[in-house]
Amino acid sequence: DTEVTQTPKHLVMGMTNKKSLKCEQHMGHRAMYWYKQKAKKPPELMFVYSYEKLSINESVPSRFSPECPNSSLLNLHLHALQPEDSALYLCASSQDRTGVAYGYTFGSGTRLTVV
Amino acid sequence: RKEVEQDPGPFNVPEGATVAFNCTYSNSASQSFFWYRQDCRKEPKLLMSVYSSGNEDGRFTAQLNRASQYISLLIRDSKLSDSATYLCVVNIRGGSYIPTFGRGTSLIVHP
Repeated sequence: DTEVTQTPKHLVMGMTNKKSLKCEQHMGHRAMYWYKQKAKKPPELMFVYSYEKLSINESVPSRFSPECPNSSLLNLHLHALQPEDSALYLCASSQDRTGVAYGYTFGSGTRLTVV
Repeated sequence: RKEVEQDPGPFNVPEGATVAFNCTYSNSASQSFFWYRQDCRKEPKLLMSVYSSGNEDGRFTAQLNRASQYISLLIRDSKLSDSATYLCVVNIRGGSYIPTFGRGTSLIVHP
């Protein structure tokens, strides 16, 4: 199994809603990432988990709350988002934080629209 | 200066052409380098890792020049299906392992 699975694929939410994005991998990877990508821009790193511990938070607003329940799962909890948060949210994983061995494997993303 | 820089293009080439992209990085401690391909509204997919000795995979050749701090991707005999955005990724930023993307180079291969 060489996939990173993200659900849902599409999400429309209001500014007062609470929702969660989910990411799952069964490759035994110990580093997992959340990226945000706006149209025609490269992915921007949000969070890095290494061995289930948050190791990097790229000054992301608190309305985004990551969670890593176990080594295979990564969640992103969303609350009180703004329309400018609409983007493609990508999850990625790698064997370890260096990414040296085989790079980073991306899920197909969740396309989020905040209305 | 940005950590990872790429010419955004677009590069507009005919089928069969050879095209080369460069990507420069600012942190000399960077250890891992990759080329990713991203199709419109899809996720980035690993095209190839870039090794110090250079590496080739079919029509694609990647090179690393540590002295000048750049990586390159050469595509020979371009196909229509090569049309995509090519992103370079470098894994060091500010002394920490942070996979950092360049802005991507758009390639359009036309008949």
